[in-house]
Formats: sequence, C-alpha cells, structure tokens
Amino acid sequence: DTGVSQDPRHKITKRGQNVTFRCDPISEHNRLYWYRQTLGQGPEFLTYFQNEAQLEKSRLLSDRFSAERPKGSFSTLEIQRTEQGDSAMYLCASSSTGTGFSPLHFGNGTRLTVT
Amino acid sequence: SQQGEEDPQALSIQEGENATMNCSYKTSINNLQWYRQNSGRGLVHLILIRSNEREKHSGRLRVTLDTSKKSSSLLITASRAADTASYFCATDAVSGGYNKLIFGAGTRLAVHP
Repeated sequence: DTGVSQDPRHKITKRGQNVTFRCDPISEHNRLYWYRQTLGQGPEFLTYFQNEAQLEKSRLLSDRFSAERPKGSFSTLEIQRTEQGDSAMYLCASSSTGTGFSPLHFGNGTRLTVT
Repeated sequence: SQQGEEDPQALSIQEGENATMNCSYKTSINNLQWYRQNSGRGLVHLILIRSNEREKHSGRLRVTLDTSKKSSSLLITASRAADTASYFCATDAVSGGYNKLIFGAGTRLAVHP
C-alpha cells in the first residue's frame, strides 16, 4: 500500500518541549496539506504545499509552528515550546494536480498529547 | 473556522435502516465532498458532487446538493455495522488556484447489529 504515511502515530511530550512530525505523501502527488483535528471536531486547515513551495498558512499556525517540504517530497511539521492547547490529532493529506478536482488522501495522523 | 455544519451531530440506527446526514455551508463552492473517518484513523474520501450537479450515487451512497439553500445531504441505504464512523462534508474553497477543503464538525453514526 503506497498511501500517505505519518510518523509517529502517537507522541506524548511535556509542555515547553519541541516536537516534529513527518508525512510521506503518495509519491506522484505534488500537493500536500496539514490539518489539525481536536476531539469531536472536523479537521482544521493549517497549511498547504505545492511541490516544495508553502503557498498558504492558516492564522491557526502561530509562529511556534513551522512546516517544510524540502525537495517537494516528504514534509515535516515542527511545534516549538509546546502548550497543552496543542494537544490534537495532526493529519497530513496529499492530492494530485491536473484538471478537475482531486480528492484528498489522508494519513492516519499523529496524535499529540502535551502534559 | 469551519465552513460547514452537519446535522445531526450524532445518529444511532439499527442495521438495515437508512441513515441521512445533512450539511449546510456558507459561501459559494466549486464542489462538495463527503469523507468518512473511523475512530483514530485518517479520513477516507467517499463521494464528490460538483456545484452544477444536484444528485449523485455511488453504491449505497446518495448525495444531493442544493446550492440555492447551500445544503447537501448524504444518504446511506441499508446500513451495516461496518458503516459506524464519523462522516464529514467538506467544501472546496478555491484560493490561489488550488483546492483547500474546509470541513464541518461531522456526524457520528452508530449502526447497531
């Protein structure tokens, strides 16, 4: 299965620590998205890449958050000085370009717990 | 902020019954998509309906779209216990030439054997 892969699946960290998550999209997809989902809510858009270019960042992304996609392949999402409010599921999705509308293919997410 | 609102928030039915979930949104869209999420997993795309379409079918799924009312419904016929999941509608907010999906809060469906 060559679906979207996220690592780690779970991360528990203490407040104030830095964490980094990784996403490997479907290989032929050049669009990559990060979403955050809290319990009982739908995913909230965080940021979007087309190839290596980060084209949009949500206001939800404070300056403690940074995302990269070097070489347009895998992506990382780093949270510095974590806070308890950062506890959530972080979802990565990818899609292809082309005509029409491509559905998003999601990974199984990284669940972050900040204690 | 979330564009769509699903109704009901939770739905509990018996196997074999039909399940209907509704979604309302606020702004003009290019298309509306429905996704399913099993507990602790990522979302899986179910069906897409374009803004110029009114109804679409896929297997046991039927989706309707009323752009004048800015609403959509998802019908799952002859439900099965395996349909137990959360269902989300997502609208396509075209921005800068790419598709950014905005999700609603979802409907949690429980199908009892």
